[in-house]
Amino acid sequence: AQSVTQLDSQVPVFEEAPVELRCNYSSSVSVYLFWYVQYPNQGLQLLLKYLSGSTLVESINGFEAEFNKSQTSFHLRKPSVHISDTAEYFCAVSDQGDYKLSFGAGTTVTVRA
Amino acid sequence: EAGVVQSPRYKIIEKKQPVAFWCNPISGHNTLYWYLQNLGQGPELLIRYENEEAVDDSQLPKDRFSAERLKGVDSTLKIQPAELGDSAVYLCASSFRGKNNEQFFGPGTRLTVL
Repeated sequence: AQSVTQLDSQVPVFEEAPVELRCNYSSSVSVYLFWYVQYPNQGLQLLLKYLSGSTLVESINGFEAEFNKSQTSFHLRKPSVHISDTAEYFCAVSDQGDYKLSFGAGTTVTVRA
Repeated sequence: EAGVVQSPRYKIIEKKQPVAFWCNPISGHNTLYWYLQNLGQGPELLIRYENEEAVDDSQLPKDRFSAERLKGVDSTLKIQPAELGDSAVYLCASSFRGKNNEQFFGPGTRLTVL
């Protein structure tokens, strides 16, 4: 199974500033990559995913993530955050053809005015 | 389309008491997962069902935890007896087999054991 490292546990950021959340995984075999967001007292919601094709994937609310196979990374970025982006963000990885999702420990993003 | 439904949302019990959590997956999803999420950590898989069959329960502490998915739809996760260390959020997720492992999560049940 994959091991997933989210390098930052807490990221405070001012409104309209950019943010980057880092995610690295352990194995360079073919993988599926996901970012989930968890708002307070809610379940996880899929933010975006990489399955194949273009290494840059985007979400509908302005987030993007880039798959870097050589560095086994899938960092999440947003050029300008809103107060409503305050949440916990989880990176998850599975080997292609395997059902098992391995999650990182999460990064708490707190957006301040 | 309705999402994954879980109940109760919150449960407070005393140690050594039994507790049960219920999950109704998205209609048509034949794969169902139960996860444990401790504070400050990512979810960890407890058990996975394909229809009514538990195909991976290797991480389920079978001395006190049990699960069932009768008829391959709803599922129940039980703890008996509960211990203080079981305080956590229990998440249910479902997916359509073969759909690139995209899992849809319910809101979770937050268990507090006193």
